[in-house]
Amino acid sequence: DAKTTQPPSMDCAEGRAANLPCNHSTISGNEYVYWYRQIHSQGPQYIIHGLKNNETNEMASLIITEDRKSSTLILPHATLRDTAVYYCIVTSFEWSSSNTGKLIFGQGTTLQVKP
Amino acid sequence: SQTIHQWPATLVQPVGSPLSLECTVEGTSNPNLYWYRQAAGRGLQLLFYSVGIGQISSEVPQNLSASRPQDRQFILSSKKLLLSDSGFYLCAWSGGQGKADTQYFGPGTRLTVL
Repeated sequence: DAKTTQPPSMDCAEGRAANLPCNHSTISGNEYVYWYRQIHSQGPQYIIHGLKNNETNEMASLIITEDRKSSTLILPHATLRDTAVYYCIVTSFEWSSSNTGKLIFGQGTTLQVKP
Repeated sequence: SQTIHQWPATLVQPVGSPLSLECTVEGTSNPNLYWYRQAAGRGLQLLFYSVGIGQISSEVPQNLSASRPQDRQFILSSKKLLLSDSGFYLCAWSGGQGKADTQYFGPGTRLTVL
């Protein structure tokens, strides 16, 4: 089962910021928060990841709460091409018999950007 | 920069026929490689992963097998396809050296078994 909880769907007006929330209350100290998105009929696209500090790259910003139990992905100026399913995933980089590096994708949030 | 290729992009096969899907990665060496499947309307399920040539681990029992004949080549196969094998097959790579790292996905192969 996924370790994260996301709203099933959200709408956003084109040009506005899209703020996608994610709850991960059982996250472990060595687990990172990852965000991917999947545009219809394409492979998932990596967006950003973080451990405890806020992160920003050319695609998005990731805000992680101080207790690390939740996070928000921010797309600062959403465009129609940002319409996709967004997945929040927690995973560690430590290989073990119980952690084979697999990513557990939940149902994600379907973001619809509207003109 | 690194790129990942999958082919074919789409495939329609009859039940009982064999299957071979190929994934290749460029611009990196000794990557970890993964095969995922996404059934219609569902999340991704890890099928196989590989940390090196000839090293394959299976996550779930199934009708499929995987092989890694070269460092940057990962193949998914079946001797006899089932209807339930239909889905979107995704290959992914990450940095290797025996540790997990950010995974990057290919464009996928959409398989329909009739």
